[in-house]
This record gives sequence, C-alpha cells and structure tokens, in this order.
Amino acid sequence: SQKIEQNSEALNIQEGKTATLTCNYTNYSPAYLQWYRQDPGRGPVFLLLIRENEKEKRKERLKVTFDTTLKQSLFHITASQPADSATYLCALGVGSGNTGKLIFGQGTTLQVKP
Amino acid sequence: DTAVSQTPKYLVTQMGNDKSIKCEQNLGHDTMYWYKQDSKKFLKIMFSYNNKELIINETVPNRFSPKSPDKAHLNLHINSLELGDSAVYFCASSRNRAHQPQHFGDGTRLSIL
Repeated sequence: SQKIEQNSEALNIQEGKTATLTCNYTNYSPAYLQWYRQDPGRGPVFLLLIRENEKEKRKERLKVTFDTTLKQSLFHITASQPADSATYLCALGVGSGNTGKLIFGQGTTLQVKP
Repeated sequence: DTAVSQTPKYLVTQMGNDKSIKCEQNLGHDTMYWYKQDSKKFLKIMFSYNNKELIINETVPNRFSPKSPDKAHLNLHINSLELGDSAVYFCASSRNRAHQPQHFGDGTRLSIL
C-alpha cells in the first residue's frame, strides 16, 4: 500500500542546534517533494520544493535532501530558534499536469527550547 | 492583504444541516483546492479546479459540492452534514499546476453537534 510517514513523535531540541526531520514514503514515484510549516490555528506555509533530479536544496537556514533510491527526504534547520517551533509537513507531488496533486504526511512537531 | 481568505473561520452546526464555506484568492492563480484536515492532522485533497473547471475529485461523498464562479473563488457546499464531517477545511491556490507551491487559507473549523 502507499504510505508517507513522518516522525509522529514531537522533536525537542535546544536552541542553536540543528533539527533534522524525516519523511519516508513507499509505493509512490513523486516528481517533486515540498515542505510546509504549519502553526496552530493557521494554514500550512510553503517552505521549499525539491525535484526528483535534485539531491539538495537550500534556503537560508533550511536544507532539504531528496533520495529517490531510499525514498526519503530529510529537512534540516540549522541554528534553530524558538520561533522555529511548529509542525512541519512534507508533501509528495504525484501525477502530472493539471491532475498532479500533493500527498501530505501527518507532520512532525518541532519544539525548540531556549 | 490576505492572499487566500476563507469564511467563516468557525462553523458549529447540527447534524443534517446544509452549510457553505467560501474561499477567495487575490494572487491571480489559476488553480484552487479544497483540503480536509482530520483530528490526526492528515491533510487530504478533496477537489481541485483549474480556471473554473473541476480537475480532481478525490472520491468525496456527493454531499460535498464545490463551485467556482470565477478563477479567484472556490466555494464548498455541504449537504446533510454528518458527525464525520467535523474537521478543518483548507482552501489553497497555486499558479497553475499542483507541483507549484500552494498558498493556503487559515482554515474553517467545522464542528457538527
């Protein structure tokens, strides 16, 4: 069966450390993978997009890797800050053209302690 | 200026009622979506529209009927509400295709009594 899995347990780290979140999937062949941030009571906010032929993407303190052999994406936040505390969702881009859609994981909640 | 706005933010109603949620985007995007986020936080696509045309319908009960009067608006009407419809409903938009970054509204929390 098709599955997309993120760490269901909350991730607690100390301010200044690097947070690493994992997204694993089975029986999908995504052309893209996206990461979103969701704060309580708010909608998801887009962070990064990485294509299947890209190994790594960076944006400021954020880095995403995409390994289509391992069927895994890792999302890193370096020099983490309490303001980074939120739920982070990975989403697989499947299908093509106008019928393409995003399949979301259930998210990992990150808590950065000062 | 809010990019994707949904109304109402909260909706509390009785089982069996009919209700509507409205969504508007001012980003000039061609594609709009409805998602449902259940209590376990899974965000699942329900519908997508491209330039007012229905593109994706994800085996949603036909009590749910989306309507797109123009490409900036996508409304969701729900008939005969059931307890299992309680969830947060998110509207989103993207430039043209789903693989583009999506911009989400802040959700409508629907509670069925």
